[in-house]
Amino acid sequence: GDSVTQMEGPVTLSEEAFLTINCTYTATGYPSLFWYVQYPGEGLQLLLKATKADDKGSNKGFEATYRKETTSFHLEKGSVQVSDSAVYFCALSLTGANSKLTFGKGITLSVRP
Amino acid sequence: DAGVIQSPRHEVTEMGQEVTLRCKPISGHDYLFWYRQTMMRGLELLIYFNNNVPIDDSGMPEDRFSAKMPNASFSTLKIQPSEPRDSAVYFCASRQGLSYNEQFFGPGTRLTVL
Repeated sequence: GDSVTQMEGPVTLSEEAFLTINCTYTATGYPSLFWYVQYPGEGLQLLLKATKADDKGSNKGFEATYRKETTSFHLEKGSVQVSDSAVYFCALSLTGANSKLTFGKGITLSVRP
Repeated sequence: DAGVIQSPRHEVTEMGQEVTLRCKPISGHDYLFWYRQTMMRGLELLIYFNNNVPIDDSGMPEDRFSAKMPNASFSTLKIQPSEPRDSAVYFCASRQGLSYNEQFFGPGTRLTVL
């Protein structure tokens, strides 16, 4: 079945450090890929997405590139801020009218001042 | 738009009681999803609807859980009878149209069953 695998967490970084969060996927079809973020006490919200191979999604300084050859969608940011502390979820959705999101387990990022 | 609205935001109840969680999706969205989040199990999809019709309820834990969507602007998730292991944060989300569109989440209902 379809699945998303995220690197184990939690991750703790100092402010202005470089961030990489790994995500790989297995899909029976041709998926769209997403990163969602959950700030403390809130629901998830879309951070970025990519709908086809080699697409790069970007938002708020975060980037991720859809790599079909390695079935990956790693999240990167050049300089993290304390306000980036949150839980990050990688997800996929297959093309189709009644498709749903398949989420990874999420990873907690803590950024120290 | 006000976003996805959930009520109540917090619910504390005793084991054996009936619990009803409510959700109002974003106007014009034709998909509605119910999720449960716990530390142990992470984020789980319980059930989702398209145009008020349940599409997939394979994530519903057991017969104690039921969900309805009587119209396009309202859905309920009911637990009867509730048990301590049902304690979790329950999220409702809605989406308009195709699978690559954004899913919008509500703020969640934190349920504690004593």
